[in-house]
Amino acid sequence: QMRLVESGGGVVQPGGSLRLSCSASGFTFSSSGMHWVRQAPGKGLEWVAFIHFDGSKQYTADSVQGRFIISRDNSKNMLNLQMNSLRVEDTALYYCAKDNGSPIYYFDSWGQGTLVTVSS
Amino acid sequence: IQLTQSPSFLSASVGDRVTITCRASLGISSYLAWYQQKPGKAPKLLIYVASTLQSGVPSRFSGSGSGTEFTLTINTLQPEDFATYYCQQLNIYPLTFGGGTKVEIK
Repeated sequence: QMRLVESGGGVVQPGGSLRLSCSASGFTFSSSGMHWVRQAPGKGLEWVAFIHFDGSKQYTADSVQGRFIISRDNSKNMLNLQMNSLRVEDTALYYCAKDNGSPIYYFDSWGQGTLVTVSS
Repeated sequence: IQLTQSPSFLSASVGDRVTITCRASLGISSYLAWYQQKPGKAPKLLIYVASTLQSGVPSRFSGSGSGTEFTLTINTLQPEDFATYYCQQLNIYPLTFGGGTKVEIK
């Protein structure tokens, strides 16, 4: 059974940094494209970032471009999101999600999320 | 690519037929998925490539459309269907979601 478990969330001041992690199990992580999606309190879903199964390609949303870096360690089945220069508007529940492969048609597994609060 | 869902809020009764629309600002072929999200839970995949039902999803859910206009239909609404529904385009990066449609009990 596919399982994704996020960690690393917390409270941080504006301008600060935080590193999120997502531990994967139950599927071949090294063959899977992975994403981060966030949801601000009471708001909708926002796609944040993607990394190719082998780490060779990454894409990020315009709202986090230049501040967030997605990475992965296939030897540890771990996905990461390094978040720098955090802003109040980055406050959200951050989900990691797995896609179906190439071509990408859907996200077929999601974690339960880790909460990031940016506040002074 | 912007996705505009309508309505953003819908009040319905058990047994009703419900239709949600998702419009894309540019053509996305059939690269559209629908998700259901309940409070405090992660989204759950319902439909992909516009009209393919995910395994295990009840057949009262159906999807249609291509290009820029898509619909999600729930026939015979059940109590467990009261939730928020999102469309997602997977045609081009950045991937985007619609703003969501909250289906509440009338």
